[in-house]
Amino acid sequence: GEDVEQSLFLSVREGDSSVINCTYTDSSSTYLYWYKQEPGAGLQLLTYIFSNMDMKQDQRLTVLLNKKDKHLSLRIADTQTGDSAIYFCAESMNYGGSQGNLIFGKGTKLSVKP
Amino acid sequence: KAGVTQTPRYLIKTRGQQVTLSCSPISGHRSVSWYQQTPGQGLQFLFEYFSETQRNKGNFPGRFSGRQFSNSRSEMNVSTLELGDSALYLCASSRDRGSSGANVLTFGAGSRLTVL
Repeated sequence: GEDVEQSLFLSVREGDSSVINCTYTDSSSTYLYWYKQEPGAGLQLLTYIFSNMDMKQDQRLTVLLNKKDKHLSLRIADTQTGDSAIYFCAESMNYGGSQGNLIFGKGTKLSVKP
Repeated sequence: KAGVTQTPRYLIKTRGQQVTLSCSPISGHRSVSWYQQTPGQGLQFLFEYFSETQRNKGNFPGRFSGRQFSNSRSEMNVSTLELGDSALYLCASSRDRGSSGANVLTFGAGSRLTVL
């Protein structure tokens, strides 16, 4: 079945790099996503990666995808206190017309200490 | 450009009542999806609407229903509320990607439902 797993908590010091890991089970996933949720807010898309890519970099964010191991990671360089939030990994399948059905992990709460 | 707007933001109901939540998507977005977020189960997909038709449905009982109007606005309804329905209900909109392309969902801030 479809399942996305993440560790629940991560604590880092300001200025360090954060690495949030995710594993997924469905090998037919076409896209994998990282979303961020701040308190009292909805989810904000950070970045996504197509399944035939290994890496994607976007400013302070680096996404690594190991399709063989079904492992996805998000690295945040020079982590700031404003990065404190819950980060969700998600996968989507190509159902030929269905585009809303993302499967989310339970989220990793990132705490950044000054 | 206005984002996804959900109303109401907060509401309190009692068991057995019913509730209707509203979602206005980003202008030009024709697909609307609904998710339920709870501390225990995380984010769970409820349903997706496109051009007034339900295109996909999650594993929720029939008490949960939705619809989409010709202007792409969507509503979801929960009847005979149970305590376990207390959750943050998130709506997301997107352009239609067809059979390929990333599902770039833009989420609203959510409607927080408390059932007493």
